[in-house]
Amino acid sequence: DAKTTQPNSMESNEEEPVHLPCNHSTISGTDYIHWYRQLPSQGPEYVIHGLTSNVNNRMASLAIAEDRKSSTLILHRATLRDAAVYYCILRSRASGSRLTFGEGTQLTVNP
Amino acid sequence: DVKVTQSSRYLVKRTGEKVFLECVQDMDHENMFWYRQDPGLGLRLIYFSYDVKMKEKGDIPEGYSVSREKKERFSLILESASTNQTSMYLCASNADRVGTDTQYFGPGTRLTVL
Repeated sequence: DAKTTQPNSMESNEEEPVHLPCNHSTISGTDYIHWYRQLPSQGPEYVIHGLTSNVNNRMASLAIAEDRKSSTLILHRATLRDAAVYYCILRSRASGSRLTFGEGTQLTVNP
Repeated sequence: DVKVTQSSRYLVKRTGEKVFLECVQDMDHENMFWYRQDPGLGLRLIYFSYDVKMKEKGDIPEGYSVSREKKERFSLILESASTNQTSMYLCASNADRVGTDTQYFGPGTRLTVL
């Protein structure tokens, strides 16, 4: 499976936008980019996913580079409840429904 | 609302005991998964199942077995618990559609083996 690289931690202030980067230089043409997050003492939850085009949903936006070697998860206005570990994951057809989690980025949101 | 439930949030067992962790989903999903999560190692896949009575080994199946007798229920079994199986165990499920197959996770079971 192609690998992703994320910063270990990031910090933000409440009500400011947050840009969480992910590098995936070995991504293949059919790999989907998925983002999950894990709030303290909870299981991971789905945030967003995309293939080539930028995507928006009620939780976040996903900006995908033109060459697809990197992507950025954008939280438009961070709240204290957004403090979590954010995982960037590549999903390939070969892996079926399996997800391979890395260490993710620990996001701290300051009041 | 989509729901994955796990039988216990916290469990304490002794070395050598047989341990059952139960997971139930109410979304009629084909696929179910068991992961364990440890500090510094992230989430690792133990076993998964694509259908009733079907199972596939994940990345770390040693010391574990699973059972899926009904579509909604997936059990993880530790035949003889050991201290190195102390961990957070997470169950997940999803529908079988590549690209849109969001995994839904339960709240986790924190297992301590003494």
